[in-house]
Amino acid sequence: EPEVTQTPSHQVTQMGQEVILRCVPISNHLYFYWYRQILGQKVEFLVSFYNNEISEKSEIFDDQFSVERPDGSNFTLKIRSTKLEDSAMYFCASDRVNTGELFFGEGSRLTVL
Amino acid sequence: AQTVTQSQPEMSVQEAETVTLSCTYDTSESDYYLFWYKQPPSRQMILVIRQEAYKQQNATENRFSVNFQKAAKSFSLKISDSQLGDAAMYFCAAWAGATNKLIFGTGTLLAVQP
Repeated sequence: EPEVTQTPSHQVTQMGQEVILRCVPISNHLYFYWYRQILGQKVEFLVSFYNNEISEKSEIFDDQFSVERPDGSNFTLKIRSTKLEDSAMYFCASDRVNTGELFFGEGSRLTVL
Repeated sequence: AQTVTQSQPEMSVQEAETVTLSCTYDTSESDYYLFWYKQPPSRQMILVIRQEAYKQQNATENRFSVNFQKAAKSFSLKISDSQLGDAAMYFCAAWAGATNKLIFGTGTLLAVQP
């Protein structure tokens, strides 16, 4: 069964460093998302992406965050200068059509020291 | 703006029994979808069941069913014949096409006792 894959599964970084989290969405999906979850708590929306541009973003998704689809398969989340409060599990998701039936990856755990 | 509220942080059920998880939501959109997602420990979220707001009939997927009360903006999940593998965090979520984002509640941690 097709699935969303994310790398790395866990990354430890120093505060102020840049981090790139990678995702490979399901191949025939057109809508892509990043969510984050702090310490098993609420799942928070970060950004949605369609047709090579951001379609919606939350207040969390400030100038330190960016997303990119550099080729036909990868979808990346970049945090330019990480802060302690960026420590969280980051989930990538994709949707074939715009109905909210999201398929999630297993997540990338980011630890900022 | 959309909001989703789950008032039960934790629930417990005996194996083979039935449990109902509560969810209320608020949205100004007329076209929206509601979902229950399951998140086993240290795993990704998977879709359990989905309900289109324009459908009056409650969705059912095997042992999982919903009670959708549109006027009350309530969307509860019933799990029948609970199994040990049902133990997980359950998130209620709402989607409106106009907003292009899925909004989650805070989750209910379900424990299944053997």
